[in-house]
Amino acid sequence: AQSVTQPDIHITVSEGASLELRCNYSYGATPYLFWYVQSPGQGLQLLLKYFSGDTLVQGIKGFEAEFKRSQSSFNLRKPSVHWSDAAEYFCAVGKYGNKLVFGAGTILRVKS
Amino acid sequence: NAGVTQTPKFRVLKTGQSMTLLCAQDMNHEYMYWYRQDPGMGLRLIHYSVGEGTTAKGEVPDGYNVSRLKKQNFLLGLESAAPSQTSVYFCASSFPPRGGPGNEQFFGPGTRLTVL
Repeated sequence: AQSVTQPDIHITVSEGASLELRCNYSYGATPYLFWYVQSPGQGLQLLLKYFSGDTLVQGIKGFEAEFKRSQSSFNLRKPSVHWSDAAEYFCAVGKYGNKLVFGAGTILRVKS
Repeated sequence: NAGVTQTPKFRVLKTGQSMTLLCAQDMNHEYMYWYRQDPGMGLRLIHYSVGEGTTAKGEVPDGYNVSRLKKQNFLLGLESAAPSQTSVYFCASSFPPRGGPGNEQFFGPGTRLTVL
């Protein structure tokens, strides 16, 4: 069965520091992978997605993610975090029929 | 262009009461979805629809019913609410994955439901 693991429930980084959020997936075929962000009290917004091709994917707000098939990972990165990046981040894998399986989420706190 | 909207934003129910959550989208999307979000569990799919008049069960459908009478609307019903249904409910919509990978899902702002 498809599953997504986000090992870190909470992460705290200093403003201006680099960020990496981990995501591991289990999927039998070529995965379609997504990162969504949820600001407090808001719905989810798509940051980036990977379907095929270049394994380094660029997204909105300066985020990028790298697909590593050998490690079954799709980690999200940002070189310099801003206070406005504080939010909850969800990794998801797409199933047949456009259904999504989400990870449990990682809450990012940014300290000034 | 409002995107995906949900009504109501907040609701408190007593055990055994019923209610309907409304989701509307103005993007002409064929697919619509209902998720629930619980702490530490991410989002889980309740029901979804691939077109007007069609519905299908997701991962956690028990205790919920849905209807898609119009393409732009997707209703989620709780016939007899239970405290275990206390959650934040999100609606989403998308174009279908025609001949290839999935398409981006667009999410509404959520409905926070408390069942006492």
